[in-house]
Amino acid sequence: QKEVEQNSGPLSVPEGAIASLNCTYSDRVSQSFFWYRQYSGKSPELIMSIYSNGDKEDGRFTAQLNKASQYVSLLIRDSQPSDSATYLCAVKGDAGNMLTFGGGTRLMVKP
Amino acid sequence: GAVVSQHPSRVICKSGTSVKIECRSLDFQATTMFWYRQFPKKSLMLMATSNEGSKATYEQGVEKDKFLINHASLTLSTLTVTSAHPEDSSFYICSADLGGGNTIYFGEGSWLTVV
Repeated sequence: QKEVEQNSGPLSVPEGAIASLNCTYSDRVSQSFFWYRQYSGKSPELIMSIYSNGDKEDGRFTAQLNKASQYVSLLIRDSQPSDSATYLCAVKGDAGNMLTFGGGTRLMVKP
Repeated sequence: GAVVSQHPSRVICKSGTSVKIECRSLDFQATTMFWYRQFPKKSLMLMATSNEGSKATYEQGVEKDKFLINHASLTLSTLTVTSAHPEDSSFYICSADLGGGNTIYFGEGSWLTVV
């Protein structure tokens, strides 16, 4: 059973701070990793994808992947109230193209 | 960029009737699409994998006779909720994969309310 684990939160950070979201996965052969943001009542939207160990930066977002430790994280710098949402970690294995989702972490950025 | 479109975004139907939700890939061909269901404050639950030209693969516990999936073309998959009941009320989301390890894109989602 492939599992993707996230702390459900809520994670509360003040505006302008760095929000750190973590995700662990059980399947060692996982190859692709994604972070999605989902606002209440809306569909998930892709923020970042990462495929190799290390950091990947895109604007205020940095994804970090450590395959040896089986974790992937998302850092949001200069957090804004508009970043308040549920962040879903998703993992794709080496066979097939199905995503396994974590339960999501609810982020609250307070003005 | 790649876009996945879902229709309708909201639908209300009477108990016992059937409702169809469409999922289209607008600027790419998707041999595989996925259907998810999401209850309030819960994560996405994969219902089935829709394969163009063949039968859908359903996840354990999902009734294939109740949730009919048809993937008749490379750009369209449909989910039909048959004999809907109030407990089928949920947010249904489709996604499509460009393939080759590329990113999976989501449709806008469809809110189904069965009264």
